[in-house]
Amino acid sequence: QTVVTQEPSLTVSPGGTVTLTCASSTGAVTSGYYPNWFQQKPGQAPRALIYSTSNKHSWTPARFSGSLLGGKPALTLSGVQPEDEAEYYCLVYYGGAGVFGGGTKLTVL
Amino acid sequence: QVQLQESGPGLVKPSQTLSLNCTVSGGSISSGSYYWSWIRQPAGKGLEWIGRIYDSGSTYYNPSLKSRVTISVDTSKNQFSLKLSSVTAADTAVYYCATGSGSYRTDYWGQGTLVTVSS
Repeated sequence: QTVVTQEPSLTVSPGGTVTLTCASSTGAVTSGYYPNWFQQKPGQAPRALIYSTSNKHSWTPARFSGSLLGGKPALTLSGVQPEDEAEYYCLVYYGGAGVFGGGTKLTVL
Repeated sequence: QVQLQESGPGLVKPSQTLSLNCTVSGGSISSGSYYWSWIRQPAGKGLEWIGRIYDSGSTYYNPSLKSRVTISVDTSKNQFSLKLSSVTAADTAVYYCATGSGSYRTDYWGQGTLVTVSS
């Protein structure tokens, strides 16, 4: 059973920069795993932010960016806003089937 | 823009089959290039990927649920569905349907529907 591990929680100051990552139990992730990132606020459905490692949706704020860092999918928020406080999930595909990370609770303080 | 709406019983008895539908509006389920997915989230926990189907009928399932899951498409109703058999309390969750305009995208989500497994 493949496991994708995210930082359980991170705290960032308004205007700061923070990077969230996903680690795969199978080893390094490449672009061929098509990592996606989602934001979820309490009581709401998840909202898609990034697909295929680094591609933004039309509604994704410019301060969000996706990349691969050391074989791990990464989501970087630059110039964090108070409204970015939320749970963030990565989704990685293994041979067509997806696996979500456990989520990172981002606190903006 | 595609919109999705889940529907189905909110309460299912243990050992029975959970059945949910997702109605697609703003687009045709047979338009091609879309995967139709199901995802769930137990209260206070993270997201779990259940499976997805392409409009050609090809499917991918979570290995841990594969023996109990069936996802299908009904083009006449512009819907896709989820069936999960032999449910237990561990299957209690908010169930989301979702889709994306590409093989590895999940752009649009339904609002989610709570399914409780209890006698």
